[in-house]
Amino acid sequence: DAGVTQSPTHLIKTRGQHVTLRCSPISGHKSVSWYQQVLGQGPQFIFQYYEKEERGRGNFPDRFSARQFPNYSSELNVNALLLGDSALYLCASSLLGRETQYFGPGTRLLVL
Amino acid sequence: AQRVTQPEKLLSVFKGAPVELKCNYSYSGSPELFWYVQYSRQRLQLLLRHISRESIKGFTADLNKGETSFHLKKPFAQEEDSAMYYCALASGGGGNKLTFGTGTQLKVEL
Repeated sequence: DAGVTQSPTHLIKTRGQHVTLRCSPISGHKSVSWYQQVLGQGPQFIFQYYEKEERGRGNFPDRFSARQFPNYSSELNVNALLLGDSALYLCASSLLGRETQYFGPGTRLLVL
Repeated sequence: AQRVTQPEKLLSVFKGAPVELKCNYSYSGSPELFWYVQYSRQRLQLLLRHISRESIKGFTADLNKGETSFHLKKPFAQEEDSAMYYCALASGGGGNKLTFGTGTQLKVEL
């Protein structure tokens, strides 16, 4: 098993654009969580999805949205990008949502 | 609100010396605490989970509810322990939101 995979690995956007980040969980895992990690900080929780339903949301503006598909993969969308959205975006999967979370390698987003 | 504090950004020790990475938390419920580690150019991975009470790679961590701490310890540091260490707290409820500290970079010198 390749573990949690994320695409793309790197992305450069300009202010005002939107971006879609993708995540495939470990086979059999039904829960996906998204985190934002700004340089020098620990990861910060954005969303958790379980069985295609939102189970938790962090303190992020409505410009951030996500969804989970029937195959349990997930997308994170960010609209109207700001310079401050530049960060490493991490996806984590877990079996049923309350167990150990396994992290992907992340997508590094740079907003110019 | 829940909070995790790791007071040291960088901890430098010599090989063979004891290691203690500090973690304090603030949470009104029953805490579930973790240590995650990130080696150079690798993804974040779980090192310890307090409820399992395991020792992984020689590391242990004891939850002290009185002092609201979950310090990570190892009696003899190895060069391969050099990495970034994050303490994290899981909230309750139907989900499993992790609140992370800012991390401590451990550097083991020869």
